[in-house]
Amino acid sequence: GAGVSQSPSNKVTEKGKDVELRCDPISGHTALYWYRQSLGQGLEFLIYFQGNSAPDKSGLPSDRFSAERTGGSVSTLTIQRTQQEDSAVYLCASSLQPAGEQFFGPGTRLTVL
Amino acid sequence: GENVEQHPSTLSVQEGDSAVIKCTYSDSASNYFPWYKQELGKGPQLIIDIRSNVGEKKDQRIAVTLNKTAKHFSLHITETQPEDSAVYFCAASIKSNQFYFGTGTSLTVIP
Repeated sequence: GAGVSQSPSNKVTEKGKDVELRCDPISGHTALYWYRQSLGQGLEFLIYFQGNSAPDKSGLPSDRFSAERTGGSVSTLTIQRTQQEDSAVYLCASSLQPAGEQFFGPGTRLTVL
Repeated sequence: GENVEQHPSTLSVQEGDSAVIKCTYSDSASNYFPWYKQELGKGPQLIIDIRSNVGEKKDQRIAVTLNKTAKHFSLHITETQPEDSAVYFCAASIKSNQFYFGTGTSLTVIP
């Protein structure tokens, strides 16, 4: 069956521009996570959605970052006024239930010039 | 918060040899420890996990051990094959939405 998909796969933008990254989780998965993976680093937790509960935004690095999940399915991560240090791979994962196995998408590689 | 350290950062082994990757964690409340394999251009994929009420778990050529007292856990891959070459990440979790990842180990299996 279809796995987690993310778009775009690559995004190059200029400093100061806004970007939107999309995640389509596996159908029926109630939990959705966003992570950031910088070069040579592990995965940094950004935000977590579970069902209709309020999201856990504790990992968002600044107020330039926001995310939403519409209808309990598709999620969009928005970065406003991008900075060069935002350059990284942004990974989305979903799981059938909290603390269940996370299935990752292929990621979006963001480059801020 | 939780802090997960992973060693080594790079590892090269001959095909058929074993590979061991070690992780330590700081928060004794962590109770779930998954391991992920990430191939180039792909997202991480869960390969094995262990919960804090178990000391060891094995799945074919892959095994994970957990020492709660010392707060460390290890991934063991036996009879390595070239297709095992990838980046491996350990993680520790306290709650369902809090996963703390190590910095990764790049494993190269030399044919």
